[in-house]
Amino acid sequence: TQLLEQSPQFLSIQEGENLTVYCNSSSVFSSLQWYRQEPGEGPVLLVTVVTGGEVKKLKRLTFQFGDARKDSSLHITAAQPGDTGLYLCAGAGYENTGNQFYFGTGTSLTVIP
Amino acid sequence: DAGITQSPRYKITETGRQVTLMCHQTWSHSYMFWYRQDLGHGLRLIYYSAAADITDKGEVPDGYVVSRSKTENFPLTLESATRSQTSVYFCASRGSGGAYEQYFGPGTRLTVT
Repeated sequence: TQLLEQSPQFLSIQEGENLTVYCNSSSVFSSLQWYRQEPGEGPVLLVTVVTGGEVKKLKRLTFQFGDARKDSSLHITAAQPGDTGLYLCAGAGYENTGNQFYFGTGTSLTVIP
Repeated sequence: DAGITQSPRYKITETGRQVTLMCHQTWSHSYMFWYRQDLGHGLRLIYYSAAADITDKGEVPDGYVVSRSKTENFPLTLESATRSQTSVYFCASRGSGGAYEQYFGPGTRLTVT
C-alpha cells in the first residue's frame, strides 16, 4: 500500500529557477522526513518535521508540514546543479513508535546548468 | 570505517539460490532496517530490528529472513532467490528516541537471473 504520493515524479529545470515538490497522503503522520538520494548511494536525511504547520529552512530549501499532518512540501529557491537528485519523503505513522516509515515514490530533479 | 556499510555492493545470483546481504554499523544504534528500492515503488520496509535478538516484519517480508545476534550486524538472507527479488537493498540504522532519523548504507544491487 502506497500511503504517500509525491508530485511531480520528474522535474527538469534551469539553474536559478524555483520549484516545489509535494508529498500528500490521506493518512496522518507523527513526523515526516525528507531525503535526497544521489545515483548509487543511499538516501541522506535533509530534515524532519514533527509539528503540524511547521516550517524549516535549510539554506535554499524550505520544508513545510501541513496543519493536518497529512502532507508536506519542499521548496527550492534558485536551484543549483548540485540540487540534482531523487527527493524522497517518508512518514512515520501514529500506530508505531518510529519503527516503520512509509516512503513516497520520489521526485527526480534535474537542474540544468 | 565508521558509519554503516553493506556488502557486497553488487551481486548476481541464480533463481533458487540462497544469498545473504550483510549490514554493519559502528554507531551502536539500537534500530536497524532493511529496505528494497524498486522503480515505481520507492523504498519499502522488509524487516526491522529494535535491538539484538528482536526483529519484526515490515511491509514486504515474504521470502526474506533476518537475524541480529549482535547490535552492529543485521544480515538479510534470501532463502531461495526469485527474479522478483531483483532490486537495490538498503540497510539503515537509527538511535533510540529522538525524531527517528535514519542513516542509510550505500546499498546492494542484487540481480537474480
